Amino acid sequence: EPEVTQTPSHQVTQMGQEVILRCVPISNHLYFYWYRQILGQKVEFLVSFYNNEISEKSEIFDDQFSVERPDGSNFTLKIRSTKLEDSAMYFCASSKLETLGQFFGPGTRLTVL
Amino acid sequence: AQSVSQHNHHVILSEAASLELGCNYSYGGTVNLFWYVQYPGQHLQLLLKYFSGDPLVKGIKGFEAEFIKSKFSFNLRKPSVQWSDTAEYFCAVNGKEYGNKLVFGAGTILRVKS
Repeated sequence: EPEVTQTPSHQVTQMGQEVILRCVPISNHLYFYWYRQILGQKVEFLVSFYNNEISEKSEIFDDQFSVERPDGSNFTLKIRSTKLEDSAMYFCASSKLETLGQFFGPGTRLTVL
Repeated sequence: AQSVSQHNHHVILSEAASLELGCNYSYGGTVNLFWYVQYPGQHLQLLLKYFSGDPLVKGIKGFEAEFIKSKFSFNLRKPSVQWSDTAEYFCAVNGKEYGNKLVFGAGTILRVKS
């Protein structure tokens, strides 16, 4: 069964550094999402992406964040200058259609020191 | 703003006991409802979903959920749990009027004692 994959599984970085989290969505899916979960808190929506552009973003997704689909298979989340409070588990998800269930990757645990 | 409430944060059951996990949502439009499960060390997996039609939906591994529109609820049930059902369960909702982002509940950690 096809799955969403994410790399790396764990990323440790210093405050102020840039990080890029990578995702490979399921191949025939058209809608892509990033969510995050700070330890002990709810899973929160960050951004959705369709047809090579952002379709929706949350308040969390400020100018420090960007997403890209550079080559038709990867979907990346970049954090330009990480802050301590960016430490969280970041999940990528994809769906075939807007209204169908979203399939999640295993997550990348980001630790900002 | 839309929100999802899960009533119990931790549930402990013995094998063969029946399970019901509560989920209520606050949402001003047509909803799609989901239950996701996260087994220890694994990623979120879709357990079942409701879009329309029969309000009683059946998912994988013997789980089912009932949508009660008048109560804004989508409770998850299983008649007889197994040790392998130990996991965290998340209720989520989305809907066209608010974009298609999923809004999650806080999750319920289920531990099944063998």
